[in-house]
Amino acid sequence: DAGVIQSPRHEVTEMGQEVTLRCKPISGHNSLFWYRQTMMRGLELLIYFNNNVPIDDSGMPEDRFSAKMPNASFSTLKIQPSEPRDSAVYFCASSLDGVNTEAFFGQGTRLTVV
Amino acid sequence: GESVGLHLPTLSVQEGDNSIINCAYSNSASDYFIWYKQESGKGPQFIIDIRSNMDKRQGQRVTVLLNKTVKHLSLQIAATQPGDSAVYFCAENRAGGGNKLTFGTGTQLKVEL
Repeated sequence: DAGVIQSPRHEVTEMGQEVTLRCKPISGHNSLFWYRQTMMRGLELLIYFNNNVPIDDSGMPEDRFSAKMPNASFSTLKIQPSEPRDSAVYFCASSLDGVNTEAFFGQGTRLTVV
Repeated sequence: GESVGLHLPTLSVQEGDNSIINCAYSNSASDYFIWYKQESGKGPQFIIDIRSNMDKRQGQRVTVLLNKTVKHLSLQIAATQPGDSAVYFCAENRAGGGNKLTFGTGTQLKVEL
């Protein structure tokens, strides 16, 4: 398996523009996570899906952020409108269903909003 | 005022020495713990995990120790190599939190030749 695949790897956009980050989890994994990593706050969980259903979105910072998982092999994280403070590395991770299983991370998308 | 980033603790070791990276967790109900390694420009990579019914687990060159009494976790790396240079994170799964992991702030390991 190729692991968790994220695209794009890098994104530079202007303030106010819409940004969509994409993730393909490992085949067979039932749980999917979106994390954000910054120097200020470290690794923060934004939202967590299980069997394509959002379970916990308490980490989503504002209404400008939204995430979807239309099927078991694809998820998006959208920021609309984007702001400079959204600049960060966004990671997607997936794990097998069940209790206490490790999450496998993608390579991340480095987002810069200018 | 000017924003200040997280100050990552740094551990510097000589190549060939053993490394010990420590982590304190906050939730006594956490029942699963993982150590991740993150190299520059990459996503966190799983190293080793431990469940709360254990106090020690060994892998290849790595050992994780769990002390539930003081809520402390450590990662020991034997014969540290230059390729071990990275940021190491502990993560906990809080009981009742599904598979949601909460990460610590990380420790930068630097291996000196």
